[in-house]
Amino acid sequence: AQKITQTQPGMFVQEKEAVTLDCTYDTSDPSYGLFWYKQPSSGEMIFLIYQGSYDQQNATEGRYSLNFQKARKSANLVISASQLGDSAMYFCAMREAFTGGGNKLTFGTGTQLKVEL
Amino acid sequence: DGGITQSPKYLFRKEGQNVTLSCEQNLNHDAMYWYRQDPGQGLRLIYYSQIVNDFQKGDIAEGYSVSREKKESFPLTVTSAQKNPTAFYLCASSPSGWNEQFFGPGTRLTVL
Repeated sequence: AQKITQTQPGMFVQEKEAVTLDCTYDTSDPSYGLFWYKQPSSGEMIFLIYQGSYDQQNATEGRYSLNFQKARKSANLVISASQLGDSAMYFCAMREAFTGGGNKLTFGTGTQLKVEL
Repeated sequence: DGGITQSPKYLFRKEGQNVTLSCEQNLNHDAMYWYRQDPGQGLRLIYYSQIVNDFQKGDIAEGYSVSREKKESFPLTVTSAQKNPTAFYLCASSPSGWNEQFFGPGTRLTVL
């Protein structure tokens, strides 16, 4: 079963509008972390925001906020006031423990966001 | 500046040849990782290392090998046994108890 699901392969948004990118996850571990990364066409992975499973408040970083609904197992990324430079691929990822110790990230398939004038 | 370097950015090889991708970090991180990304896909874990001289297989380790002789370095060898090696390869590192994984710029490997 997929552990991270991103159901929107592509999204369009107008400049200065807000956009929500969906992410649902599946885990039985009570301790986990959720991440969003941005990947522009150059290929680098840019960390945007992190939410821990025990965090009481939704994470925010500048124009990025994470709408964390634990009971629904969703961790949607909200980008406010979209800019042309926000056009990129966005990945949701979950940190989970390896059987032998340590942690790894499991990624979703991504959402391609295009910001239009 | 602290960070992760991967070289080269683009790599071309003939089918049947082994090729080694470089990954170096000066962040003093204990853990290092190799991921593979295919077009339109997310990242899949190939190998990871939590400490020097120790590494474990990830989800798609077949056809790949790694070494971790130094904390700063985690090279990945794509062997001739890898059936479809053309892909984008990303190296990452993280400190203990991490809330972020840091990525290198990636190497795009094309096997002709």
